[in-house]
Amino acid sequence: GEDVEQSLFLSVREGDSSVINCTYTDSSSTYLYWYKQEPGAGLQLLTYIFSNMDMKQDQRLTVLLNKKDKHLSLRIADTQTGDSAIYFCAEIGVKTSYDKVIFGPGTSLSVIP
Amino acid sequence: EPEVTQTPSHQVTQMGQEVILRCVPISNHLYFYWYRQILGQKVEFLVSFYNNEISEKSEIFDDQFSVERPDGSNFTLKIRSTKLEDSAMYFCASSRENTGELFFGEGSRLTVL
Repeated sequence: GEDVEQSLFLSVREGDSSVINCTYTDSSSTYLYWYKQEPGAGLQLLTYIFSNMDMKQDQRLTVLLNKKDKHLSLRIADTQTGDSAIYFCAEIGVKTSYDKVIFGPGTSLSVIP
Repeated sequence: EPEVTQTPSHQVTQMGQEVILRCVPISNHLYFYWYRQILGQKVEFLVSFYNNEISEKSEIFDDQFSVERPDGSNFTLKIRSTKLEDSAMYFCASSRENTGELFFGEGSRLTVL
């Protein structure tokens, strides 16, 4: 079935770049997303990329998509302590149906001051 | 800024009891969703709802679960006879279009004893 995988933990020093990786199985994925969950809060959409794009940049965030390898990454430049959160990769597409978003398990990012 | 609101924030119930979780989606949104997150685990899709009917549901969403939009603003999730394994954080989400850009509430934590 459709699946989204991520590494569970990442620790970086404040000021460094963070790279969070994700792999997915649905080759028909149309949209791929990064959501952020801060402690005790709901998920918040950070950014997304269409499957016909390779890269998208939005301020400190850079999303890279390798469709051939079904690999998505999120790079956070100049990581701050406020970036500490769980980051979820998610996808939607023909196979998964446009009526549900499939989330990965989340990567817990810890930023060390 | 418009937001999705959920009540209660935390509910404790005895096994076998009925529970209703309430959500007020963003007012001009047309698509509504329930997801759940068992502690430390994935965010799991339960159900999507559009045009006053269920458009997609997961295997988790069995006969014990139901959703309703009783008026123009509320969207509810009912669990008829709760089980211990229903203990989780339940997130409501809404979107204007079914492109996966979901707006999440802060969640309702359900504890079944």
